[in-house]
Amino acid sequence: QLQLQESGPGLLKPSETLSLTCTVSGGSITGSDNFYWGWIRQPPGKGLEWIGNIYYSGSTYYKPSLKSRVTISLDTPKNQFSLKLSSVTAADTAVYYCARLSHSGGWRLIDYWGQGTLVTVSS
Amino acid sequence: EIVLTQSPGTLSLSPGERATLSCRASQSVSDSYLAWYQQKPGQAPRLLIYGSYRRATGIPDRFSGSGSGTDFTLTVSRLEPEDFTLYYCQHYGSALWTFGQGTKVEIK
Repeated sequence: QLQLQESGPGLLKPSETLSLTCTVSGGSITGSDNFYWGWIRQPPGKGLEWIGNIYYSGSTYYKPSLKSRVTISLDTPKNQFSLKLSSVTAADTAVYYCARLSHSGGWRLIDYWGQGTLVTVSS
Repeated sequence: EIVLTQSPGTLSLSPGERATLSCRASQSVSDSYLAWYQQKPGQAPRLLIYGSYRRATGIPDRFSGSGSGTDFTLTVSRLEPEDFTLYYCQHYGSALWTFGQGTKVEIK
């Protein structure tokens, strides 16, 4: 059974860089070309926002409004992928989820999620 | 960028009743790329429906999806106590993944 687990600091100051890692177990992040590996966030009491994702080849796709601040990368030996979000503000306070985004069979769906980690930006 | 608008924002119903949730896209989208998720408090979302109407593995058949073009619907035929929670639609297009703002189904 595939499992994803987020890790990283839970408290940041404004202007710092958010850095989160997602460790994947039960499957290889480079084992199939049917999947992307991505990050989705959810501000407290609000809806879901896709941040971006990365393909096994290293190709990345980002939400346009966040693109200038986001970097997603792979660490294939560790079976991990990471998120960096620069120059954070209070508006970046959210639960951050890592997830597997599938395009298997021609569908587009998100079938595995991490449990989520709360990141708070406060001075 | 496609915008998904879910309605109503909150749906107040009783157990055993039928719930009908709407997701409207700002332009016509492929039904292959439309999915629905359920999210319970403190948990990650769970995939319910993909490809507009296909139930994900392990999802009870009281959940069904329909629609095409710009209008999509998630129906829960008979609400169970555990179904009173949040629901989101999601679309993929042009390498972007978009979510609706959510519908909360609450106990009346």
